[in-house]
Amino acid sequence: NFMLTQPHSVSESPGKTVTISCTRSSGSIASNYVQWYQQRPGSSPTTVIYEDNQRPSGVPDRFSGSIDSSSNSASLTISGLKTEDEADYYCQSYDSSNQVFGGGTKLTVL
Amino acid sequence: QVQLQESGPGLVKPSETLSLTCSVSGASISSLIYYWGWIRQPPGKGLEWIGSIHYSGSTYYNPSLKSRVTISADTSKNHFSLNVSSVTAADTAVYYCVRVVVGLKWLRLLNWFDPWGQGTLVTVSS
Repeated sequence: NFMLTQPHSVSESPGKTVTISCTRSSGSIASNYVQWYQQRPGSSPTTVIYEDNQRPSGVPDRFSGSIDSSSNSASLTISGLKTEDEADYYCQSYDSSNQVFGGGTKLTVL
Repeated sequence: QVQLQESGPGLVKPSETLSLTCSVSGASISSLIYYWGWIRQPPGKGLEWIGSIHYSGSTYYNPSLKSRVTISADTSKNHFSLNVSSVTAADTAVYYCVRVVVGLKWLRLLNWFDPWGQGTLVTVSS
């Protein structure tokens, strides 16, 4: 089986851009799609990116996703940071009938 | 709009069985293209997938929990359920039910969760 590793925390100022990485431990990041979920304090997770780089309706285009086979990782980029973006972010993928989540990254918008 | 709502006891004694139900509105769990699943989150920790079920009865579980977990579906009531046996304090968590989007696109598997229920806290304690 594989693991998805995320930085424990990141911080950035309002208006800036931040990128959160998600590195797959074994197997190819491109073998199955990667999703990103946002979880604000006290709330359920919601999808901000699905199928590597697709945004659900209602998610602003400040959110974007990508995968990089050379580093075997996925990335979530949030531009024009707002205080409302402060939350935990989780990447997720699937392989061999098993779902895997990254450990989560706490984004602080200072 | 699809909505999921978890229900069940908030307190379970050690060694007993945790039982939760997820009621679905705005969609039929008999849909061919979706699975339905459970995910949990211990207090202050990350997300852990528990398992998923298709209305046909097909299930798949987290290998680390498989021996203690059963997920079932009742299409007549449009809900699905989770049982976790022999619980310990380590099973204390917020339990979420989810719809699972599955498919194959450009030869890559897609399998992700949307929407999520509001979650219910289950505490294992005597």
